[in-house]
Amino acid sequence: DGGITQSPKYLFRKEGQNVTLSCEQNLNHDAMYWYRQDPGQGLRLIYYSQIVNDFQKGDIAEGYSVSREKKESFPLTVTSAQKNPTAFYLCASSISREDGYTFGSGTRLTVV
Amino acid sequence: DAKTTQPTSMDCAEGRAANLPCNHSTISGNEYVYWYRQIHSQGPQYIIHGLKNNETNEMASLIITEDRKSSTLILPHATLRDTAVYYCIAYSSSGSARQLTFGSGTQLTVLP
Repeated sequence: DGGITQSPKYLFRKEGQNVTLSCEQNLNHDAMYWYRQDPGQGLRLIYYSQIVNDFQKGDIAEGYSVSREKKESFPLTVTSAQKNPTAFYLCASSISREDGYTFGSGTRLTVV
Repeated sequence: DAKTTQPTSMDCAEGRAANLPCNHSTISGNEYVYWYRQIHSQGPQYIIHGLKNNETNEMASLIITEDRKSSTLILPHATLRDTAVYYCIAYSSSGSARQLTFGSGTQLTVLP
């Protein structure tokens, strides 16, 4: 079945370490997105990519980096510059606005 | 994209219809109304969307007022599994960016 796979589901990181969250989709969608969600809050856009080898900053890109070398993959790196990285991270993809977005099941990152 | 306003929380009895309102008084002519829901600690799930006409699918119905300033999502026979946060989003993919902006949504609790 087609869908979006995020891994790992839970991730623990020590302060000062970079960590990369995986997002893979087999839906043949051109656009992919990364969102951050804090407890009791809505989703905030970190980065998005509309096509391979191109990506744009969202509303809260500071302290994060992404790459889009393949259509299927859009990994997110949380760098040590991100001061408050503990959150729930969601990856999404879309082919057109009529289809809406398909979301992965999320990665919960905790800094220890 | 237009800002949307939703009640923070609502309750509904199991088996009854759940009617979730959304105000989007500044919506523009090319903005669709999208509804997503998020069950705790999972990725959001697309429900339905519409532009002017009322829409229905296997999950829900969407009623949009004639002036398009508000809409109502209807879950005809709510079950306990429908307990989730419901997000109403006014969204247009015109221009170079295609992004959904998620607010805080409505926490729907279906009561047995």
